[in-house]
Amino acid sequence: KNQVEQSPQSLIILEGKNCTLQCNYTVSPFSNLRWYKQDTGRGPVSLTIMTFSENTKSNGRYTATLDADTKQSSLHITASQLSDSASYICVVSGGSGYSTLTFGKGTMLLVSP
Amino acid sequence: SQTIHQWPATLVQPVGSPLSLECTVEGTSNPNLYWYRQAAGRGLQLLFYSVGIGQISSEVPQNLSASRPQDRQFILSSKKLLLSDSGFYLCAWSTDLRGVDGYTFGSGTRLTVV
Repeated sequence: KNQVEQSPQSLIILEGKNCTLQCNYTVSPFSNLRWYKQDTGRGPVSLTIMTFSENTKSNGRYTATLDADTKQSSLHITASQLSDSASYICVVSGGSGYSTLTFGKGTMLLVSP
Repeated sequence: SQTIHQWPATLVQPVGSPLSLECTVEGTSNPNLYWYRQAAGRGLQLLFYSVGIGQISSEVPQNLSASRPQDRQFILSSKKLLLSDSGFYLCAWSTDLRGVDGYTFGSGTRLTVV
């Protein structure tokens, strides 16, 4: 069964600090992995996409890593800002058939002043 | 550029009342369209997807139905809402069913059934 597990479930950090969110998946075959940011009451917005051959990808203060061997990904946020407060969702594309996106439950990040 | 519109943003409906949520996409043709539900503390659950006009596939049996009367219009409906239908509903579109190019989500509808 395709699964995406994210940790921690929630996280509180002080403004300006760094943090790392984790994503473990068991989706096979694997196509790509995306990190989405979902502000409260809004739809998810894509931050990064990583394919099998990519290890690291950055988008401003967001850096995603992928280890396809261990089926793990991380999202590192540098110098956090209050606007980073949101839910971060790991989504893996792959598996068999169609409409094959598997969503994690997300990590709720709160950046405190 | 492509945009996706979803409305209403919030909705409070009594149990047993009908439901109609609408989603439209602009700037693309023949998109794949999706309805997701996001319950509190849970991941997104795919409800319906559509590859073309009048073509609807249901992922889970439920009290809801979907229709695609036009190429870029996707509607989520219910004849009689249940309390368990409360949640955050998201419409999305993609260029391919496997989501290789990712999904673009609408802004969501917060439905509260009372």
